Amino acid sequence: DAKTTQPNSMESNEEEPVHLPCNHSTISGTDYIHWYRQLPSQGPEYVIHGLTSNVNNRMASLAIAEDRKSSTLILHRATLRDAAVYYCILLDRVQGAQKLVFGQGTRLTINP
Amino acid sequence: GAGVSQTPSNKVTEKGKYVELRCDPISGHTALYWYRQSLGQGPEFLIYFQGTGAADDSGLPNDRFFAVRPEGSVSTLKIQRTERGDSAVYLCASSADRGLEETQYFGPGTRLLVL
Repeated sequence: DAKTTQPNSMESNEEEPVHLPCNHSTISGTDYIHWYRQLPSQGPEYVIHGLTSNVNNRMASLAIAEDRKSSTLILHRATLRDAAVYYCILLDRVQGAQKLVFGQGTRLTINP
Repeated sequence: GAGVSQTPSNKVTEKGKYVELRCDPISGHTALYWYRQSLGQGPEFLIYFQGTGAADDSGLPNDRFFAVRPEGSVSTLKIQRTERGDSAVYLCASSADRGLEETQYFGPGTRLLVL
């Protein structure tokens, strides 16, 4: 499984943007970059995914480096409810349905 | 619609006992996954079902762990002769397995404590 590297923790203030980095230097051409997050005492939830182009949805934006060796999850205006552990995961689409390989993730703290 | 549900939400048992954990996936989802999460760690894959069959059980730690999905919907994770090290949150997820729509939807988990 391809590996990802994320900072253990980050802190931000409410209503400010948050940029969560992820390094994946061994990414292959068929790997999609997925982000999940886990709020306290809940199961993980899907946030966003992308392949090459930047992606936006109602929850967040995903900026992917041109060489695809890194990506950044962007929360445009953080709220207290965004406090969670964020996981960056690579999935090989060629393989179809497959397990998620979670690392340690980044624990995001939001200050009021 | 209803999400993934798991029962019980909490289970306390004694070392050596047998436990069953149940997962009700989202209706129509063909793929079902079990993960285990220890305190302070990310979830760890256990087993994946495609329909009724186990497509990948490489994450089951030993033969005390077994899972079934007899009708391709509800799944049960069974743990025999429980040990204190089995204490964790057991998470279930399901997906529609439609290629690019491969989002996994997780349940709230079952917190297992082995005394």
